[in-house]
Amino acid sequence: NAGVMQNPRHLVRRRGQEARLRCSPMKGHSHVYWYRQLPEEGLKFMVYLQKENIIDESGMPKERFSAEFPKEGPSILRIQQVVRGDSAAYFCASSPVGVEGNGYTFGSGTRLTVV
Amino acid sequence: RKEVEQDPGPFNVPEGATVAFNCTYSNSASQSFFWYRQDCRKEPKLLMSVYSSGNEDGRFTAQLNRASQYISLLIRDSKLSDSATYLCVVQSRDSNYQLIWGAGTKLIIKP
Repeated sequence: NAGVMQNPRHLVRRRGQEARLRCSPMKGHSHVYWYRQLPEEGLKFMVYLQKENIIDESGMPKERFSAEFPKEGPSILRIQQVVRGDSAAYFCASSPVGVEGNGYTFGSGTRLTVV
Repeated sequence: RKEVEQDPGPFNVPEGATVAFNCTYSNSASQSFFWYRQDCRKEPKLLMSVYSSGNEDGRFTAQLNRASQYISLLIRDSKLSDSATYLCVVQSRDSNYQLIWGAGTKLIIKP
């Protein structure tokens, strides 16, 4: 009964490289959410996806960031040409439905460090 | 003004004491409220939902004041294992049911 699986746990990239973060939701969950957490700050919503659909990407930076949740396989958060300011913890959460009242189940996060 | 505001702390509290945190929210249309707990460098975990009539789960009591737009969390007989950051979370229909997070209140329980 695996929970939300994120990998890698830690990722180090040099400035200008690409970062790919993966998230496999809990079994039976079809809604995925990505959050970013900077040190000493709360979680900031980035994007909400269902299979093959981006429902809400209002929290995604306009450039360099993209997300997908294909029919098969995990959800991917992709950051192109990383900069030092992208260093953060990126958490993925999933839920069985995307409506009010449901708390989410989080993955353990990916800690991205840009050097 | 932030949508969800919390005192960042830290709250340094002796073991066995009672501690309370408040959280204020700005969107009067908010409908669902939660407290999450986050241990250092780990993922947030749901502690409890907050209901209009107030609710209790063991040593934890959550209350909602819609008129003043704040939520509270009370921890009785605090344990060393309660040391964590407590995150206030708000959800509303007009933000597409997204969870809006406070920055958290850090609690340190001392022996």
